Amino acid sequence: EAGVAQSPRYKIIEKRQSVAFWCNPISGHATLYWYQQILGQGPKLLIQFQNNGVVDDSQLPKDRFSAERLKGVDSTLKIQPAKLEDSAVYLCASSLGAHIGMNTEAFFGQGTRLTVV
Amino acid sequence: KQEVTQIPAALSVPEGENLVLNCSFTDSAIYNLQWFRQDPGKGLTSLLLIQSSQREQTSGRLNASLDKSSGRSTLYIAASQPGDSATYLCAVRPSHGGSQGNLIFGKGTKLSVKP
Repeated sequence: EAGVAQSPRYKIIEKRQSVAFWCNPISGHATLYWYQQILGQGPKLLIQFQNNGVVDDSQLPKDRFSAERLKGVDSTLKIQPAKLEDSAVYLCASSLGAHIGMNTEAFFGQGTRLTVV
Repeated sequence: KQEVTQIPAALSVPEGENLVLNCSFTDSAIYNLQWFRQDPGKGLTSLLLIQSSQREQTSGRLNASLDKSSGRSTLYIAASQPGDSATYLCAVRPSHGGSQGNLIFGKGTKLSVKP
């Protein structure tokens, strides 16, 4: 089965510019996650979707970050305006579900490496 | 607040050695624990998932154990190979009644297997 697809793989932008990342989860996976991984750290959740609804965005810097999953399938994550500290790898993951009794094994994409200069 | 710690941060072993990577978590209320592998510049590859009711899971040369009450998990790699060189991440999914929290990751253990 096809894995989680992300694009672009790499992006270099200047601070204060905007950038968008795209993710297509594994077919049939209702739950989609965006994680931020700063160099040397473990991934940190930014936002979780269940179908097209937001389940958890408590750690999303909403003044500059936004995400949507309008049709409950693919998703975009946007940063506007970018700051130097946003330089990181942005990982998208999906799972069949996120509730007790469901298969919650998470599968990750290759990530987008963002460099803000 | 759940915290996940992985020790050691880096490990270098000669090829053929058996090795153990450690993961500890502060809150035993978890739904499951997942071990991942991350190669440089790549995403995460799921290795093993252990449900909270399980004690261990095995896949090939990998064996993961879980002691939920003591907040510990280990990943055992048998007969290590240079191709095993990567960063290994442990993540727990907290349990909150009928729902689940999101994966909380440790910082990883960077493994280097020398030929």
